[in-house]
Amino acid sequence: DAMVIQNPRYQVTQFGKPVTLSCSQTLNHNVMYWYQQKSSQAPKLLFHYYDKDFNNEADTPDNFQSRRPNTSFCFLDIRSPGLGDAAMYLCATSSGGVGTYEQYFGPGTRLTVT
Amino acid sequence: AQKITQTQPGMFVQEKEAVTLDCTYDTSDPSYGLFWYKQPSSGEMIFLIYQGSYDQQNATEGRYSLNFQKARKSANLVISASQLGDSAMYFCAMRVLNQAGTALIFGKGTTLSVSS
Repeated sequence: DAMVIQNPRYQVTQFGKPVTLSCSQTLNHNVMYWYQQKSSQAPKLLFHYYDKDFNNEADTPDNFQSRRPNTSFCFLDIRSPGLGDAAMYLCATSSGGVGTYEQYFGPGTRLTVT
Repeated sequence: AQKITQTQPGMFVQEKEAVTLDCTYDTSDPSYGLFWYKQPSSGEMIFLIYQGSYDQQNATEGRYSLNFQKARKSANLVISASQLGDSAMYFCAMRVLNQAGTALIFGKGTTLSVSS
């Protein structure tokens, strides 16, 4: 089945140690998003790619970076994780065409910072 | 300002009963889309239903229907015949256009608990 895959599902990293979360999709969608969701809060958009065009939200900290080497894969890099970066990170995709703009979400990666 | 408001932190319902989850929105854009997502404890966001601002009829998907009242800027989700598996967090979201492109903004969510 076509889907959005996130690896790993659970990630533990140490304070200040760089970490990379990955997302892949088999939907061939143009747009890939990264959201941060802290406990009991709504997801918050960090940035997204429309094809190779990177779009950063104004309030996304510089500590968060992203790479999209091809249509299928997108990575979230946290250069120096702090305790406040512990959260669920959700990847989503959409076709980007005219229409619903429905976003398809992956299962998320739950990040713990020790 | 573009905003989604969900005023019910938690809702409780018995199996087989219907339940309405409230959502109001604020936008000055004439073209927008409204979504409902379900998030079980496992964490993934599951798309439930979509309503476009120009859609004349209320959206329905199986047991889910969206009560869209444009003048009141509300987009309430109605779940008919609740099931135990419906227990989850429910988010209302709106598609917006910002400087970075197209994005979803989410409400704070409503936790639905279904009991037998």
